Amino acid sequence: AQSVTQLDSHVSVSEGTPVLLRCNYSSSYSPSLFWYVQHPNKGLQLLLKYTSAATLVKGINGFEAEFKKSETSFHLTKPSAHMSDAAEYFCVVTHNQAGTALIFGKGTTLSVSS
Amino acid sequence: GAGVSQSPRYKVAKRGQDVALRCDPISGHVSLFWYQQALGQGPEFLTYFQNEAQLDKSGLPSDRFFAERPEGSVSTLKIQRTQQEDSAVYLCASSLARGWNTEAFFGQGTRLTVV
Repeated sequence: AQSVTQLDSHVSVSEGTPVLLRCNYSSSYSPSLFWYVQHPNKGLQLLLKYTSAATLVKGINGFEAEFKKSETSFHLTKPSAHMSDAAEYFCVVTHNQAGTALIFGKGTTLSVSS
Repeated sequence: GAGVSQSPRYKVAKRGQDVALRCDPISGHVSLFWYQQALGQGPEFLTYFQNEAQLDKSGLPSDRFFAERPEGSVSTLKIQRTQQEDSAVYLCASSLARGWNTEAFFGQGTRLTVV
């Protein structure tokens, strides 16, 4: 069965320092993996997507993630945090090979202090 | 409109009442998804439509939940005899192609509170 585990429920960083949000996945086939961001009172927004092409995926707003099959990980990083990055982040895996459904992790709340 | 629109944004229902939640996807989008997000949790899959066909309803928690998309555009999620555990934000998403092969856009959701 497909699943994702976000290893930290809350991450706090200072503005200008690196961000690391950790995600491990479990899949019985080659999965598609995503990171979504949810700002308060706003809809979920796709940050980036991995679909078996390049293992290092670049997304919007300076975020990137690396797919590591040997470690079953898909961690999200950003070199320098900005105050506007404070939000809820979800690691997501496709539920089936047809890609008709997604399984979301429980989320990681990112706080950024000045 | 420019994005996925959901209405109402907020709904308070008395236990046992029926509710209907509406989703207007982006025009021309083939795929439509419904998700349920409980407080402090990630969204959980409910059902998937490709045009008017409901291809996956494996996530619907009980037979009190019913979704339709009769003309392949607007979709309605209906919950009969609401229970307190149905309280959650219900999210709708649409994408241009089948499944998640193209980016899916989420609406802001309907927050349902059952009292």
